[in-house]
Amino acid sequence: SQQGEEDPQALSIQEGKNATMNCSYKTSINNLQWYRQNSGRGLVHLILIRSNEREKHSGRLRVTLDTSKKSSSLLITASRAADTASYFCATDKAAGNKLTFGGGTRVLVKP
Amino acid sequence: DTAVSQTPKYLVTQMGNDKSIKCEQNLGHDTMYWYKQDSKKFLKIMFSYNNKELIINETVPNRFSPKSPDKAHLNLHINSLELGDSAVYFCASLSGSTDTQYFGPGTRLTVL
Repeated sequence: SQQGEEDPQALSIQEGKNATMNCSYKTSINNLQWYRQNSGRGLVHLILIRSNEREKHSGRLRVTLDTSKKSSSLLITASRAADTASYFCATDKAAGNKLTFGGGTRVLVKP
Repeated sequence: DTAVSQTPKYLVTQMGNDKSIKCEQNLGHDTMYWYKQDSKKFLKIMFSYNNKELIINETVPNRFSPKSPDKAHLNLHINSLELGDSAVYFCASLSGSTDTQYFGPGTRLTVL
């Protein structure tokens, strides 16, 4: 079964607006990572947040982690058409361990 | 310059055939993985190798056999292909310093 579940499954927003997606997981984790997958392409690593961190920023991306609720959110600010992609959260239980992925959120940014 | 490469990118074959997918990384990483992404986009780990040694083997049919000739390569051989094997297969390697996995572009396997 999937460790993570993402919400919403699909998101359509206007260019320039912010996009927020959430990820919930079931067991304790070491790290939580977010990846982007453009249609027909491989996964691109976006950001990693460790279990002892609560918030992290990278450019227009902001990730939060709430280990008490076993959830994380990814915020994309000032979205662009190029942000159109599927976004996956992935967790691992220990360094170097396998990643367990959520089902992904498909984001469509309309010009 | 490609960090993690896979060949072929597309593979179309008949049921019952045997096929291989190759993966190479030039990042100097010790750990490599194979993931399977199904038609609903769910990604699931299949295997992991560290320095040519198998360390993770999820519940994968024994028709799937990974082979790591050296730590830069992790190939996937599939025997007696079935319709349900149709998926996109991703290879990845792990940066031990950042815990980040770097993914290849994927191999789309279609079994007819």
